[in-house]
Amino acid sequence: GQQLNQSPQSMFIQEGEDVSMNCTSSSIFNTWLWYKQDPGEGPVLLIALYKAGELTSNGRLTAQFGITRKDSFLNISASIPSDVGIYFCAGQLQGGNDMRFGAGTRLTVKP
Amino acid sequence: GAGVSQSPRYKVAKRGQDVALRCDPISGHVSLFWYQQALGQGPEFLTYFQNEAQLDKSGLPSDRFFAERPEGSVSTLKIQRTQQEDSAVYLCASRAAGTYEQYFGPGTRLTVT
Repeated sequence: GQQLNQSPQSMFIQEGEDVSMNCTSSSIFNTWLWYKQDPGEGPVLLIALYKAGELTSNGRLTAQFGITRKDSFLNISASIPSDVGIYFCAGQLQGGNDMRFGAGTRLTVKP
Repeated sequence: GAGVSQSPRYKVAKRGQDVALRCDPISGHVSLFWYQQALGQGPEFLTYFQNEAQLDKSGLPSDRFFAERPEGSVSTLKIQRTQQEDSAVYLCASRAAGTYEQYFGPGTRLTVT
């Protein structure tokens, strides 16, 4: 089963608002990645984080790798309708081959 | 450049039938992963290849699931004697050497009736 707790499960916001979502775990990860998945498509990589405390931006998206290496957050600023979708956090365990995914945050943006 | 491709995109199988799902990774990517995604959930790891070697198959749910990558490029996930609980989206991802960033294909939606 999944080891990452992702919250919130869903969000309904107005266009232009900022959004924040996060993932926590009891395990230590050496990499955090954030993906966005549209209906009928595979996840698309948004941001990759490699160091504890790292803060990385990609346009209106900002993500941070938690100091404890057990959590990460993703912020989206000034949301637009095309931000609609499901956002997944994914972590690579130390010494592991696979990524563990959260259950996703479903984002709805009202124009 | 071309991304990860998967075929078929949709597959309907009757319970008990065998199915084969194909993945074409990004050219030059040495690592290939298969994931299973149930409705409303995140992807769950099935198996991992480095070139043609299957280094981890700990996520395969039963011995009815089998994956291969004989020439270190295209991979096939085979499910024998399909059951209703096998209904899911099967995602393939590939990764370049020396990185952790996995790039996903569009998935194959398998429905077992």
